[in-house]
Amino acid sequence: ILNVEQSPQSLHVQEGDSTNFTCSFPSSNFYALHWYRWETAKSPEALFVMTLNGDEKKKGRISATLNTKEGYSYLYIKGSQPEDSATYLCAFMGGANNLFFGTGTRLTVIP
Amino acid sequence: DAGVTQSPTHLIKTRGQHVTLRCSPISGHKSVSWYQQVLGQGPQFIFQYYEKEERGRGNFPDRFSARQFPNYSSELNVNALLLGDSALYLCASSNTKRGLYNEQFFGPGTRLTVL
Repeated sequence: ILNVEQSPQSLHVQEGDSTNFTCSFPSSNFYALHWYRWETAKSPEALFVMTLNGDEKKKGRISATLNTKEGYSYLYIKGSQPEDSATYLCAFMGGANNLFFGTGTRLTVIP
Repeated sequence: DAGVTQSPTHLIKTRGQHVTLRCSPISGHKSVSWYQQVLGQGPQFIFQYYEKEERGRGNFPDRFSARQFPNYSSELNVNALLLGDSALYLCASSNTKRGLYNEQFFGPGTRLTVL
């Protein structure tokens, strides 16, 4: 079982603040890195799938970067809103057809 | 279009019993994958199927099995249930042969409680 770590485990930010989280994964045998948002009582929703070192993806106020050589990805949220409150999961695909999820970062945006 | 659907929503079983969970992918999606999420942990990959063939398997005992039907729906079977099998079971579908290489569309999950 590969080790995918996310930090911080949880954080609280004020509405309007910008924030970022980290996903660390093995730097060898990289295939893809997924980010998902999981709101309470809903299904996980895909944000990004990144495959190339140096990839940067953006969707509205959310963006992500990828460094496969050092094994990390950052997720950024600009101007956090209460509706951004969710658990953000990353998942690493390396080699065999398997996805390894981190334990997630739980974000609470305080109005 | 309907999203990924799973049934049942909740299920209570006793140790040693058998359980079958069902998943219907988004229309047109041929890849289905299954995950187990224990409270406080991230989802753990169990199986991936594409065109009725197993394409990926996670680190789960042989008590766990799955299959995919010609209409691309899928079943996850767990035999000889243990207390530790209590979890949320998620199903996800994808619209390419590359399966896990692409974004997964998740269903709402089945909450299994083993007493």
